[in-house]
Amino acid sequence: GQNIDQPTEMTATEGAIVQINCTYQTSGFNGLFWYQQHAGEAPTFLSYNVLDGLEEKGRFSSFLSRSKGYSYLLLKELQMKDSASYLCAALDSNYQLIWGAGTKLIIKP
Amino acid sequence: DAMVIQNPRYQVTQFGKPVTLSCSQTLNHNVMYWYQQKSSQAPKLLFHYYDKDFNNEADTPDNFQSRRPNTSFCFLDIRSPGLGDAAMYLCATSREVGGTDTQYFGPGTRLTVL
Repeated sequence: GQNIDQPTEMTATEGAIVQINCTYQTSGFNGLFWYQQHAGEAPTFLSYNVLDGLEEKGRFSSFLSRSKGYSYLLLKELQMKDSASYLCAALDSNYQLIWGAGTKLIIKP
Repeated sequence: DAMVIQNPRYQVTQFGKPVTLSCSQTLNHNVMYWYQQKSSQAPKLLFHYYDKDFNNEADTPDNFQSRRPNTSFCFLDIRSPGLGDAAMYLCATSREVGGTDTQYFGPGTRLTVL
């Protein structure tokens, strides 16, 4: 079956760096998305990776290793507003999005 | 600003009383999706439209129906809501299906079933 695994919850300190991991098992692979979702709101797009390596976008970076079925989202200089759930979603061979349950990130002052 | 709009943001209905949720978009995207998301769970795709072509997920209950009268609007009809249907319902759009296009989400409608 198809599966996305990511930690349920993480805690970090304001100003610090945090890495949120995601592993995926899909039938075929056409890329991986990261979305941010604040409580009670809709997911918003953060990044899309289809090639191996690190993509940097301001304070947020996303990494992909296709051979390992692994991705991470790196958040630097954490701010209180970064408190949210971070959803990992992989595109399978039929271009269907397979979603993880999200990692709830709690930022402490 | 181009966007995805959902109305209402909060909907309360009674057990068994039909309810309709609406979604509109100004992005002129071909594809519109409806997801159900329960607390701390992944969004679950219910169905999607590519233009007027309707695509139902295999495990979407018959209780859920959808209509897309034109490119801009899409409706989710829940014919007989049960307590288990209480959730956030998310509408999303993308330019194409079967590709790597980003999905853009509306703010969601939180449905409460009494």
